[in-house]
Amino acid sequence: GQNIDQPTEMTATEGAIVQINCTYQTSGFNGLFWYQQHAGEAPTFLSYNVLDGLEEKGRFSSFLSRSKGYSYLLLKELQMKDSASYLCASNRDDKIIFGKGTRLHILP
Amino acid sequence: DAGVIQSPRHEVTEMGQEVTLRCKPISGHDYLFWYRQTMMRGLELLIYFNNNVPIDDSGMPEDRFSAKMPNASFSTLKIQPSEPRDSAVYFCASSLRTGAGELFFGEGSRLTVL
Repeated sequence: GQNIDQPTEMTATEGAIVQINCTYQTSGFNGLFWYQQHAGEAPTFLSYNVLDGLEEKGRFSSFLSRSKGYSYLLLKELQMKDSASYLCASNRDDKIIFGKGTRLHILP
Repeated sequence: DAGVIQSPRHEVTEMGQEVTLRCKPISGHDYLFWYRQTMMRGLELLIYFNNNVPIDDSGMPEDRFSAKMPNASFSTLKIQPSEPRDSAVYFCASSLRTGAGELFFGEGSRLTVL
């Protein structure tokens, strides 16, 4: 998806921590979204980062480095319901462009 | 409060037929987006509107695709003629503002072209 890269799949264990990385093209960049999408459902909003640094929201945190064109989503205390795809999306010149998503599998 | 409403939820059609997908955005949202999702290509932006005006349609695959927004509460995405490679889930989303605005997605229209 237009120079947004994230791993295709990841596997983690219930109760553990997982970090999903995303790199993006920096030209025209205004901010970085993370969305969650369960199988067969629509994406739902998780976070939006504009400034460098870490933003925490409950079990989920999102980090941004504008100079490096890099973001990650950190999920703590994983639960089975966290099994889903996680989509990184870049706000480029006010167009929201999505990566192909990272499918996260949670093992009991 | 109603979210983004799309119809139909599922459509199966034959190659060459016209397909019309419909979307009602959340009331008060000025921006409306059409996306297409496939396993191979992920979620692709097709077109987006601001106050009913198309702003960027560079993602529309070809002339067979067209989108309209005749008023603030209704948009259509039309494919004519349809082809098997158009099979995908088509999402409509709306937001209060573009860029920093959270996108609210409809449940999607799953299109299968035989």
